[in-house]
Amino acid sequence: GDSVTQMEGPVTLSEEAFLTINCTYTATGYPSLFWYVQYPGEGLQLLLKATKADDKGSNKGFEATYRKETTSFHLEKGSVQVSDSAVYFCALSGQGAQKLVFGQGTRLTINP
Amino acid sequence: GAVVSQHPSRVICKSGTSVKIECRSLDFQATTMFWYRQFPKQSLMLMATSNEGSKATYEQGVEKDKFLINHASLTLSTLTVTSAHPEDSSFYICSARGLAGRGGTDTQYFGPGTRLTVL
Repeated sequence: GDSVTQMEGPVTLSEEAFLTINCTYTATGYPSLFWYVQYPGEGLQLLLKATKADDKGSNKGFEATYRKETTSFHLEKGSVQVSDSAVYFCALSGQGAQKLVFGQGTRLTINP
Repeated sequence: GAVVSQHPSRVICKSGTSVKIECRSLDFQATTMFWYRQFPKQSLMLMATSNEGSKATYEQGVEKDKFLINHASLTLSTLTVTSAHPEDSSFYICSARGLAGRGGTDTQYFGPGTRLTVL
């Protein structure tokens, strides 16, 4: 079945550092790919998405590119802030499927 | 953008009582709503999928008689935890997916979650 694998956390960085959170997936066909962010005590917020190969999703300085050849959707940000501290979830929605399949989540802590 | 609310945000109840959690899509019609459960420091576990006007589809291992789901309208779904016990304590999150062009057909928008504590 479909699955998503994220790099294990926790990840701790200093403010203004470069961020990469790796995400790879297994799915048949052409899934849609998502990054969600969860701040402490809150639900998930959609951060960005891409629906076809080579699409780049971007929002709030975060970017991720849908790479079909490597089945990846790595999340990047050039300069992180303390306010980016949260848990980040990579997810996919299989072609024609209703369900989201989530990765295990990566906890990110940014120190000032 | 697409906004989903949940009520209550936090509830504490005694063992054996039932608790109802509401999930509303505020600015779009949600043809499908999802209910998730999240344990501390873990990912989300899909409990069930509900389409407006039809019975919910439960994931394997989720007791449908314990977790009653009703999706009576295009903007409201409810989850009722019946005869709650301490092991039901968790963070319950709903999400909603809308019609084409409003909320999108492939994107789920999440509510802020409800923390249930059963004493």
